[in-house]
Amino acid sequence: DVKVTQSSRYLVKRTGEKVFLECVQDMDHENMFWYRQDPGLGLRLIYFSYDVKMKEKGDIPEGYSVSREKKERFSLILESASTNQTSMYLCASSSHSSEQYFGPGTRLTVT
Amino acid sequence: DQQVKQNSPSLSVQEGRISILNCDYTNSMFDYFLWYKKYPAEGPTFLISISSIKDKNEDGRFTVFLNKSAKHLSLHIVPSQPGDSAVYFCAAAGTSGTYKYIFGTGTRLKVLA
Repeated sequence: DVKVTQSSRYLVKRTGEKVFLECVQDMDHENMFWYRQDPGLGLRLIYFSYDVKMKEKGDIPEGYSVSREKKERFSLILESASTNQTSMYLCASSSHSSEQYFGPGTRLTVT
Repeated sequence: DQQVKQNSPSLSVQEGRISILNCDYTNSMFDYFLWYKKYPAEGPTFLISISSIKDKNEDGRFTVFLNKSAKHLSLHIVPSQPGDSAVYFCAAAGTSGTYKYIFGTGTRLKVLA
């Protein structure tokens, strides 16, 4: 069974704080993704990675960065959190031949 | 510009009846389509997919239809069950090699007992 885990289910941070969201997958997948889900906007891709140390911008990368030092781990970093980054953050992974498998999500609130 | 659109934000269906969820896309380069289901406070789970070389794919109560000329796909759930109540996202992917999906905005399905 594919397992994608995210470090926190709920997180509350203050404006200006640096925030780290961690994602770990146990299926040796090459590809990993970070999305945010907002009402009426669906899932929007922030960044993705198709190999260790490789990253590509998605549709809404502004205000975010990522790190992939190990194949199983993909981190999303909010350098200076802002209230408009309050959202549900979803991590996913896939192989070159599989669909994407999602983690349970992190509900981030920035106050 | 929304490349994948789900124009119905919500849908209510009686238990036992058919649920039809619709999705339109604009990019003719998309050649692989998927449906995901999402319960509150959980991540989306893969439901069913279809390649552009097919026009129908079936898995139990779930069938996806693809009309390439209309750039339209639909998910049929027959019979609908209360446990099917969730948000459904369609997604599209192309052959660019980046394995990216473009998701629609989702349709909230409520199956009434």
